Amino acid sequence: DAGVIQSPRHEVTEMGQEVTLRCKPISGHDYLFWYRQTMMRGLELLIYFNNNVPIDDSGMPEDRFSAKMPNASFSTLKIQPSEPRDSAVYFCASSPRTGGYEQYFGPGTRLTVT
Amino acid sequence: AQKITQTQPGMFVQEKEAVTLDCTYDTSDPSYGLFWYKQPSSGEMIFLIYQGSYDQQNATEGRYSLNFQKARKSANLVISASQLGDSAMYFCAMREGRGAQKLVFGQGTRLTINP
Repeated sequence: DAGVIQSPRHEVTEMGQEVTLRCKPISGHDYLFWYRQTMMRGLELLIYFNNNVPIDDSGMPEDRFSAKMPNASFSTLKIQPSEPRDSAVYFCASSPRTGGYEQYFGPGTRLTVT
Repeated sequence: AQKITQTQPGMFVQEKEAVTLDCTYDTSDPSYGLFWYKQPSSGEMIFLIYQGSYDQQNATEGRYSLNFQKARKSANLVISASQLGDSAMYFCAMREGRGAQKLVFGQGTRLTINP
C-alpha cells in the first residue's frame, strides 16, 4: 500500500509569495495531521482533521496559514504571504480510527523562504 | 512543564550492542498512549512502536521493545543487537485522553551506531 504522499518535496520561494503544500493520506485513514519541524521548536502540530472536518487548529501560527481537506484523499496547507520564518519541514500524517491511532508520516516538504 | 522529556541529546553505541533510549512523560489522565518514531538523516518520520496506558505487557516489534514503567512514568525504547542503519534521531511522543488524537513530541535523541 502507498504511504502518505506529499508534494512538492522541496520548495524555495521569495518572501511574500503564496505557498501551497499538498498531501494525500493513506486510503481508509480517518485522521489527517499537518506538522511543522524546525531546529528551534521541534515538531509542532499545526492542525488536524477528522473525516475531512478540521478539529483543532490551535497550532496554526497566524492568519497567514490555512488548511483545507476537500475530500478524504486530499489536503492542502497554504501560506500567504510567506515569510522567512516559515522556513521549515512540513509533514503531513494520517492515522486510522482504530488501534493505537498511530500516525504515519509523509516524507515532508522542505520549505525555504528567502 | 514538559509533557515528554528525553534527557539524552546524543548517544554513541557500538554495533551489535543493545541500546536504551530514555523517555519520561507527564500526564494526569489515566488513558494515554506512548509512541516512538525514528527519523533517519533522509528526514522521514518512521513509526516504530506503540504502548497503551492500559496494556499489561510491554510492547515489542522485532528488535524494538518498550520498557513501560507506569509508576515511574517512563517509556524507554530498547533496541536489541543494534545495526549501523539504526543511526538516526529518535522521538518519544504521547497522546493524552481517551480518543484523543494530538501527539506531543519530545526533543529527540540522536543515536549513532559505531562499527
